Amino acid sequence: AAGVIQSPRHLIKEKRETATLKCYPIPRHDTVYWYQQGPGQDPQFLISFYEKMQSDKGSIPDRFSAQQFSDYHSELNMSSLELGDSALYFCASSPDGSTGELFFGEGSRLTVL
Amino acid sequence: TQLLEQSPQFLSIQEGENLTVYCNSSSVFSSLQWYRQEPGEGPVLLVTVVTGGEVKKLKRLTFQFGDARKDSSLHITAAQTGDTGLYLCAGVVGNNRKLIWGLGTSLAVNP
Repeated sequence: AAGVIQSPRHLIKEKRETATLKCYPIPRHDTVYWYQQGPGQDPQFLISFYEKMQSDKGSIPDRFSAQQFSDYHSELNMSSLELGDSALYFCASSPDGSTGELFFGEGSRLTVL
Repeated sequence: TQLLEQSPQFLSIQEGENLTVYCNSSSVFSSLQWYRQEPGEGPVLLVTVVTGGEVKKLKRLTFQFGDARKDSSLHITAAQTGDTGLYLCAGVVGNNRKLIWGLGTSLAVNP
């Protein structure tokens, strides 16, 4: 079965650079979520999209933005990167009518040097 | 504010032992999920519980949802080294499908 696809899997950037992460949800899933997970921490919700519209916003910094495109894939754009942005970034999708179950991608590991 | 308290935070046991992980809250959840995460990978959904008092079993894993839908437990029987990982509970409050996460239980099963 198709899963959530994230790219790139690993990314190394310098401080103040920009990074873009991509997420391709499971087909027919209508909601996409972005999470940030630091070492030893639980996932921190950043932002979600339902049917290409932003549906909820969490602890996403102003330097970050995200959008969902017509083909339902989503991109997380991170600018003016800081050392503290180093983390695993997960995308998850959820089908309509579910009880909130999330299906996660394998994550994108961002390292800011 | 952390609405979901998960305990214990760390657990190291020998293979063959039993263990229980708890997830407690003062909030009522419309549903609650348990995930298992291995290092460097995304959380994988294990189970969703919806009905108060519900018990679900997945092989050696038993999940229970409290009668008031405020708490849940995960019991593992005869733990195996392959059970090692981070176990996360997450609850849904109301109908907004936003998950409230516990901090996770890091389980190490030693051979």
